[in-house]
Amino acid sequence: SQQGEEDPQALSIQEGENATMNCSYKTSINNLQWYRQNSGRGLVHLILIRSNEREKHSGRLRVTLDTSKKSSSLLITASRAADTASYFCATGPPYNTDKLIFGTGTRLQVFP
Amino acid sequence: EPEVTQTPSHQVTQRGQEVILRCVPISNHLYFYWYRQILGQKVEFLVSFYNNEISEKSEIFDDQFSVERPDGSNFTLKIRSTKLEDSAMYFCATGKTGGNQPQHFGDGTRLSIL
Repeated sequence: SQQGEEDPQALSIQEGENATMNCSYKTSINNLQWYRQNSGRGLVHLILIRSNEREKHSGRLRVTLDTSKKSSSLLITASRAADTASYFCATGPPYNTDKLIFGTGTRLQVFP
Repeated sequence: EPEVTQTPSHQVTQRGQEVILRCVPISNHLYFYWYRQILGQKVEFLVSFYNNEISEKSEIFDDQFSVERPDGSNFTLKIRSTKLEDSAMYFCATGKTGGNQPQHFGDGTRLSIL
């Protein structure tokens, strides 16, 4: 089964700095999504990138996808204290399914 | 913005008891899911539900588990004969469309089995 592994497991930065998180997976995908989870809350969808796309932007978020390396990265530019959360990648298998397969997550701490 | 609502936020139950976790989906969403997250581990898919029937379930979702949408609004997850290892956060998610499209998650129910 495919499996998302993210690194780093934890990341601490100062406000204003950029944060980069990486995700690797093992099998073919239909798309890859990134979610944020604030402590004690549910997951919030951030951005979706299709398997035939290489890069996507949304506000301060930039996502890249390299299907040859089975990896993706999420870049948050000009980070803010409010960006402090766990970030998960989730892959959608290419066969007839709705389920998402989540990675292990990166805990981001942004210090004011 | 519409939200997925889950109740209760925290459920403490004795081992062997049955629990029912409830979810109110976003009103125009047709696809419903349950996931769980054991403390410190990944979010794991349990089951998907569409058109009043299970469309897919994981290996975790055995005979101990069941889902239903009894009144056309609430979407419930029932866990029978709970075990210590069922302790986890259980998340309900809904989607307007299927096919790995973005899902909207509730804040979860923390289930603690004693």
